[in-house]
Amino acid sequence: EVQLVESGGGLVQPGGSLRLSCAASGFTFSTSWMHWVRQAPGKGLVWVSRIKGDGSAISYADSVRGRFTVSRDNAKNSLYLQMNSLRAEDTAIYYCARGEVAAMIGGYWGQGTLVTVSS
Amino acid sequence: DIVMTQSPDSLAVSLGERATINCKSSQSVLYSSNNKNYLTWYQQKPGQPPKLLISWASTRESGVPDRFSGSGSGTDFTLTISSLQAEDVAVYYCHQYYSTPYSFGQGTKLEIK
Repeated sequence: EVQLVESGGGLVQPGGSLRLSCAASGFTFSTSWMHWVRQAPGKGLVWVSRIKGDGSAISYADSVRGRFTVSRDNAKNSLYLQMNSLRAEDTAIYYCARGEVAAMIGGYWGQGTLVTVSS
Repeated sequence: DIVMTQSPDSLAVSLGERATINCKSSQSVLYSSNNKNYLTWYQQKPGQPPKLLISWASTRESGVPDRFSGSGSGTDFTLTISSLQAEDVAVYYCHQYYSTPYSFGQGTKLEIK
């Protein structure tokens, strides 16, 4: 059974940093694209980043490029999102999701972890 | 960047009636090399992550009821629920994975009339 479990969310002050993790199981993690998608409270879905299975290809949304860094540890079946210089507008539930054919965001998502940026 | 625009923003339909949600992309999401539209539809209920309903614009995912169907090509797409059930109350999103940055429509809130 495919499982994705995010962790690391919490309350952080503006300008602060946070590292999110996503523990994956039930599939071959090392060959799967992985995505981060966020959703501000009461708002829509926003794609954040993707990373190829071997880490050789990475993309970011314009709103986070230069502040967020996606990475993975295939030996630990884990995906990460290092978030620096956080702003109030980064407040959201952050979901990790497994990529499918053509790096499509597929049907497997975690339950999400809430990041709140506030003083 | 590709902008996805859904219409309407909200929709109220009677049980058993048809619900239609439209999605328009600012540029084509049809890949000419394989003739596939890089578009998915998701359903999201409160407190849950999104659920994938339709991929490649018209391919229903396993386990998704056949009252859900997707159509369209290029820049104009439609999600149709042929006979609305109470459990279909949710927010629906279209999403393009043709190019990065990926993008979602703003969502359509579907309610019972």
